[in-house]
Amino acid sequence: NAGVTQTPKFQVLKTGQSMTLQCAQDMNHNSMYWYRQDPGMGLRLIYYSASEGTTDKGEVPNGYNVSRLNKREFSLRLESAAPSQTSVYFCASRTGGAEAFFGQGTRLTVV
Amino acid sequence: QKEVEQNSGPLSVPEGAIASLNCTYSDRGSQSFFWYRQYSGKSPELIMSIYSNGDKEDGRFTAQLNKASQYVSLLIRDSQPSDSATYLCAVGYYGNNRLAFGKGNQVVVIP
Repeated sequence: NAGVTQTPKFQVLKTGQSMTLQCAQDMNHNSMYWYRQDPGMGLRLIYYSASEGTTDKGEVPNGYNVSRLNKREFSLRLESAAPSQTSVYFCASRTGGAEAFFGQGTRLTVV
Repeated sequence: QKEVEQNSGPLSVPEGAIASLNCTYSDRGSQSFFWYRQYSGKSPELIMSIYSNGDKEDGRFTAQLNKASQYVSLLIRDSQPSDSATYLCAVGYYGNNRLAFGKGNQVVVIP
């Protein structure tokens, strides 16, 4: 059971570099989410996709873009990384009002 | 006002005692409510889900929902050292399927 798979698990970027975080789920879920987690801040919603073909901004979307490539995949792109984007990023998926399942997280450091 | 608020600081409880966590939410359109547990360096995992007013019990965990007062709580009975973790409250919306989290509460169970 793969569930929700995120790649990479760890990444170090230099300020100004770009990168894409990948997320794929094999549970046939309609909705997918990207969160960031900083110490003492809980999970803050960056973007989400309620269904294939739709994306919406969350609480902290600035500096990020997303693509819902198909029902399985939802990617998060940092066009020009900044030290403030150093964080742990989690992807999650769910269907309807049910529970969300999380990937293992990506630890991103921007220097 | 934040969408989902968990205002209590770290909670220390003796082994065998009851731990009580509270969460308030701002949007009366909220439809689904969740408590997640997160160990340090790990992904969040579901503890309880609750959708209607009242209590829901699962083993040593009880979730309580009061939609009129816009709060949801979690009780952990007979607390064990393995319950030491951060507990995250989450609120979901059926219309757009947004899923928002609070900042979490750290629980430390003292043997």
